[in-house]
Amino acid sequence: EVQLQQSGAELGKPGTSVKLSCKVSGYNIRNTYMHWVNQRPGKGLEWIGRIDPANGNTIYAEKFKSKATLTADTSSNTAYMQLSQLKSDDTAIYFCAMRDWFAYWGQGTLVTVPS
Amino acid sequence: DVLMTQTPVSLPVSLGGQVSISCRSSQSLVHSDGNTYLHWYLQKPGQSPQLLIYRVSNRFSGVPDRFSGSGSGTDFTLKISRVEPEDLGVYYCLQSTHFPYTFGAGTKLELK
Repeated sequence: EVQLQQSGAELGKPGTSVKLSCKVSGYNIRNTYMHWVNQRPGKGLEWIGRIDPANGNTIYAEKFKSKATLTADTSSNTAYMQLSQLKSDDTAIYFCAMRDWFAYWGQGTLVTVPS
Repeated sequence: DVLMTQTPVSLPVSLGGQVSISCRSSQSLVHSDGNTYLHWYLQKPGQSPQLLIYRVSNRFSGVPDRFSGSGSGTDFTLKISRVEPEDLGVYYCLQSTHFPYTFGAGTKLELK
């Protein structure tokens, strides 16, 4: 069974960074892209970017190019997203998703940045 | 960026009824490989989105045949027949033909 286990909720200070994790079981992340998606409170879904864990290649949505950094550790089958220069507008749930058509999703990590 | 326009925003339904949700894209979703990468998800309250339909009309594993997808080019539809309580939530379309990938704003399916 494929499972994506994301790290726990974060309370981030403005101007600092947080690093979220997404540990995959039941599937080798070398064989898939890992995507990250956010959802601001009461809002819809927004694609942040993806990483190919096999080679580290990344593609970001333009608005997240200086905000998010995607990495992956194939030895632990885990994907990571670092969010930098946190501000209140970054308050959201962040999901990881994988396989074709985003077939599998993590449970989400709530990041709260007070204003 | 490809704009995905989903309608309606809210969709009241009676249990056992049938509904349709529209998703229109600002440009064709036909990829250079000939495939159309338009997918549908349901997000129930407090949960992650779950894949229902991939590449326009293919039901994901375990999705009941009450769900069907159709469309081409820029105009796509999700139909739900014989609506059941577990179908309630917010439906999203996603295009993964063009970067950046973009979602529709969502359609909330709720009881009348």
